[in-house]
Amino acid sequence: DVKVTQSSRYLVKRTGEKVFLECVQDMDHENMFWYRQDPGLGLRLIYFSYDVKMKEKGDIPEGYSVSREKKERFSLILESASTNQTSMYLCASSPLGQGDSPLHFGNGTRLTVT
Amino acid sequence: QQQVKQSPQSLIVQKGGISIINCAYENTAFDYFPWYQQFPGKGPALLIAIRPDVSEKKEGRFTISFNKSAKQFSLHIMDSQPGDSATYFCAANFNTGKLIFGQGTTLQVKP
Repeated sequence: DVKVTQSSRYLVKRTGEKVFLECVQDMDHENMFWYRQDPGLGLRLIYFSYDVKMKEKGDIPEGYSVSREKKERFSLILESASTNQTSMYLCASSPLGQGDSPLHFGNGTRLTVT
Repeated sequence: QQQVKQSPQSLIVQKGGISIINCAYENTAFDYFPWYQQFPGKGPALLIAIRPDVSEKKEGRFTISFNKSAKQFSLHIMDSQPGDSATYFCAANFNTGKLIFGQGTTLQVKP
């Protein structure tokens, strides 16, 4: 069974702090994704990665960066946290395929920036 | 062009009733349309999916209806149960694995 683990369930950070959100998957998936979930806006893609050290911007990359040094780990970095980045962050992985491979999500990290 | 619009935002249905959630898209290059189900405190999980070469797909009480000409697709939950209470997301992609999600629908099934 695929397991996507996000390191923190809840995080509270101050404005201006550098924040790291960590995600690990145990199924050797090539693809990894970071989404942000906000009520009424659904899931919006921040960044994704198809391979180690490879990254591509999603729909809302501003204020975020990512790191993928190992295949199983994909980190989301908030360079200088702001209150408008208060949200639920979801990591997902999927195998390399033809677009119909299901995404396997972690349980999310609820980040509050004060 | 890449948006997927989902409605309603919330839905209340009596046990045993039919729940219907609708989605519309603009980009005709989309070729895969999944629905994800999310319970409180959990990440979304794939529920059912369809490709545009078929008009309907059924899995148990869950059915996707697809109208290619209208660029619309919908999820029907027959005999809705309290255990179906969750948030549902439609999505679409074009063969890249990168999903574009709708805004989500919170379903409450009353006993």
